[in-house]
Amino acid sequence: ETGVTQSPTHLIKTRGQQVTLRCSSQSGHNTVSWYQQALGQGPQFIFQYYREEENGRGNFPPRFSGLQFPNYSSELNVNALELDDSALYLCAAGRAGDALHFGNGTRLTVT
Amino acid sequence: AQKVTQAQTEISVVEKEDVTLDCVYETRDTTYYLFWYKQPPSGELVFLIRRNSFDEQNEISGRYSWNFQKSTSSFNFTITASQVVDSAVYFCALRGPRGSSNTGKLIFGQGTTLQVKP
Repeated sequence: ETGVTQSPTHLIKTRGQQVTLRCSSQSGHNTVSWYQQALGQGPQFIFQYYREEENGRGNFPPRFSGLQFPNYSSELNVNALELDDSALYLCAAGRAGDALHFGNGTRLTVT
Repeated sequence: AQKVTQAQTEISVVEKEDVTLDCVYETRDTTYYLFWYKQPPSGELVFLIRRNSFDEQNEISGRYSWNFQKSTSSFNFTITASQVVDSAVYFCALRGPRGSSNTGKLIFGQGTTLQVKP
């Protein structure tokens, strides 16, 4: 058990729609990051939040946005979905400086 | 630029064989951290080890061992007496110096799929 839970497990959306993915972690995890993992690839860093502020972003467009809440939960929002957004989305949380613990991921399919 | 290369895409072994997964990294940081994660079919990335750049001591944990060589920028992972339950995708990852802005920013390799046959 990593203490990181993601919902939903699977999601199917249509191109152009918007989606919100959720993640909850345990007390003390002041850092949360989101990753996109395409089939057969390694996870790609989207962004991270530290104490509810975004403080690092990978090479992803602004239609990928997020929030981190005081109760150690967070959201990943993706607007104007494209077919290439189909992937496994992983949430990772931890204390600043420590190793990250990952959730089981949300499998997003865009048709 | 930071980069992690796992040249072995797939490895297949028979149970009880030893297997080594290779990882080569590139970074301009003088201090950094290296990680190995295991991803079973369920999708969750399971943390295996973290190593900082100023500690080149090899580490052994049960059947797992890690060989960190700064001179060759490699951080290889060996499973001794492999078991069917070891079948998974294994990722090597790199992170910059300790600090809040780096905690969540891992650079992953492409992964190595290990299949252990009975």
